Amino acid sequence: EIVLTQSPGTLSLSPGERATLSCRASQRVARTYLAWYQQRPGQAPRLLIYGASSRATGIPDRFSGSGSGTDFNLTISRLEPEDFAVYYCQQYGSSPLLTFGGGTKVEIK
Amino acid sequence: QVQLGQSGAEVKMPGASVKVSCKASGYTFTGYYIHWVRQAPGPGFEWMGWINPNSGGTSYAQKFQGRVTMTRDTSISTAFMELSRLTSDDTAVYYCARGGWGGDFFDSWGQGTLVTVSS
Repeated sequence: EIVLTQSPGTLSLSPGERATLSCRASQRVARTYLAWYQQRPGQAPRLLIYGASSRATGIPDRFSGSGSGTDFNLTISRLEPEDFAVYYCQQYGSSPLLTFGGGTKVEIK
Repeated sequence: QVQLGQSGAEVKMPGASVKVSCKASGYTFTGYYIHWVRQAPGPGFEWMGWINPNSGGTSYAQKFQGRVTMTRDTSISTAFMELSRLTSDDTAVYYCARGGWGGDFFDSWGQGTLVTVSS
């Protein structure tokens, strides 16, 4: 099983600042099969990024993903008020054993 | 637009079973896998398995093998997930999610169904 470790646990930033979130895998993620999701309180997750760097339909271009192998990042170039939420990474390279990271909370400083 | 509508919250006794439904709309139901994922405070997100609505074929995570059954009814574009022999550790929000095109990521999610297991 591939274990995904996200850091930091909490990121305290102000609107307009840049956020960089990390997701590290315990083994190489095949074919950069890594996705990122946003979850706001009381809501279901929303797909942001798949294939490590492809934005999902309707996702603003301030969200970008990068990385390969075992190290991946999600960057939010300029935080908007609606971006304060919890973010999760998920790998699907070792399908059918799909796993998620523990999440990074982006909170208002 | 793609929508997945789930059944309402459930309260179950330990040892009982629960069946959650997921009605798809806005796309061809048989064209995309449906996955089931649960979220609990401790373990976080856990992938439970998928069903191919076209063939009815399934794949379950090893942890849930023998306890979970995923089915579908194509006439009403609905997938079902039944989990048996419930314990308090099964208290969680259960989500259905549509499998992405070209990989097992999740491009649309249901609103979630809270299942509480308590005596």
